[in-house]
Amino acid sequence: AQKVTQAQTEISVVEKEDVTLDCVYETRDTTYYLFWYKQPPSGELVFLIRRNSFDEQNEISGRYSWNFQKSTSSFNFTITASQVVDSAVYFCGDYGQNFVFGPGTRLSVLP
Amino acid sequence: DAGVIQSPRHEVTEMGQEVTLRCKPISGHNSLFWYRQTMMRGLELLIYFNNNVPIDDSGMPEDRFSAKMPNASFSTLKIQPSEPRDSAVYFCASSSLAGATDTQYFGPGTRLTVL
Repeated sequence: AQKVTQAQTEISVVEKEDVTLDCVYETRDTTYYLFWYKQPPSGELVFLIRRNSFDEQNEISGRYSWNFQKSTSSFNFTITASQVVDSAVYFCGDYGQNFVFGPGTRLSVLP
Repeated sequence: DAGVIQSPRHEVTEMGQEVTLRCKPISGHNSLFWYRQTMMRGLELLIYFNNNVPIDDSGMPEDRFSAKMPNASFSTLKIQPSEPRDSAVYFCASSSLAGATDTQYFGPGTRLTVL
């Protein structure tokens, strides 16, 4: 069965610190896609990234980077030089047979 | 572009009533998704459509829920009869490519409260 674990329920950092949000997935699918979404305090959902299971290249987008390692079934998300605007709940998801989401990690970036 | 439009933004209804949520995807997008978010169950994908055809409805909780996409610019999610446990925020999203793996653009959500 599919499962996504985000072990960090809440994280607090001070602005300009780097922070990594962990995501561990379980799947029996050979082909699957991994996602990250952001939900700021205003409540909307923002799609951040998708990665297919055949592409283990790391992705960098500005201050955001993602590290996909099939060997450890992890798809971790790092924010470099965090800013207050990064404060949000971040969800990791896996789409294979079904779409499964983790419980989310609440990130608070303090000024 | 106007983005994904959802209506109503807030809905309060009584148990047993029919509720219809509406979504207008971004023009030209080929896939449409309905999600539900609650404190208890977190974020769930209910159903998604490719080119107006339902592809994966495995997340639809039960027969009280139904979703339609009569054309490329409109979709509805109906709950009949509604129950208090249906209280949630319902998000609609669309993506330009057919399939569940392309970048998705979300609407602002509909907050449903069933009393």
